[in-house]
Amino acid sequence: QSVLTQPPSVSGAPGQRVTISCTGSSSNIGAGYDVHWYQQLPGTAPKLLIYANTNRPSGVPDRFSGSKSGASASLAVTGLQAEDEADYYCQSYDSSLTDVIFGGGTKLTVL
Amino acid sequence: EVQMLQSGGGLVQPGGSLRLSCEASGFTFSSYALCWVRQAPGKGLEWVSGISTSGASRNYAESVEGRFTVSRDNSKNTLSLQMNSLRAEDTAVYYCGKAGKAQRTDWLNLEFDFWGQGTLVTVSS
Repeated sequence: QSVLTQPPSVSGAPGQRVTISCTGSSSNIGAGYDVHWYQQLPGTAPKLLIYANTNRPSGVPDRFSGSKSGASASLAVTGLQAEDEADYYCQSYDSSLTDVIFGGGTKLTVL
Repeated sequence: EVQMLQSGGGLVQPGGSLRLSCEASGFTFSSYALCWVRQAPGKGLEWVSGISTSGASRNYAESVEGRFTVSRDNSKNTLSLQMNSLRAEDTAVYYCGKAGKAQRTDWLNLEFDFWGQGTLVTVSS
């Protein structure tokens, strides 16, 4: 069981907006540690999508956005496209475990 | 162009050893912390280990502490992971990764912006 909790799956129709939550605790997200998001297509390495809670690397469409509040973070995807169908992971640091931690991952399905 | 080329995976018996390598190019290797992350078949991403720019600071997941050793050679732009006493539960695709910001002491709080292609390690008799 992951320290960061994500929904196993979310889905939406093309053009719609979906959000993926990442819930932590007072020793990780709630302690102020940054949250980063990755997209992983089947059989490929993770791709950085959002870093430091809200920032997009160059080349990532502005349809992807991140937010953080308290001990939770969210990834929003607007204007869903078929190519967005992938697994999404959040990452942070936990001061009790003294480890980098990942969420369990969320499979996004575009209907 | 940043590239991270992995090698060294394969099939090994339980209790055996394996060494993974990750040769990097396209950035100032010695300025960035690096990491290893793995993904068991059908499972999510799992932190394995990380190493600071100089190699003086190393971090290990509890599941591999005492069995795996991470190292780097800044003269050869190479990151390594020595894996000993391998178990069936170590079976996974292993990815090397590069921290997103240079010369940071809080490297464990950073994102990892480039990854190797992944290498499969299978532990089975």
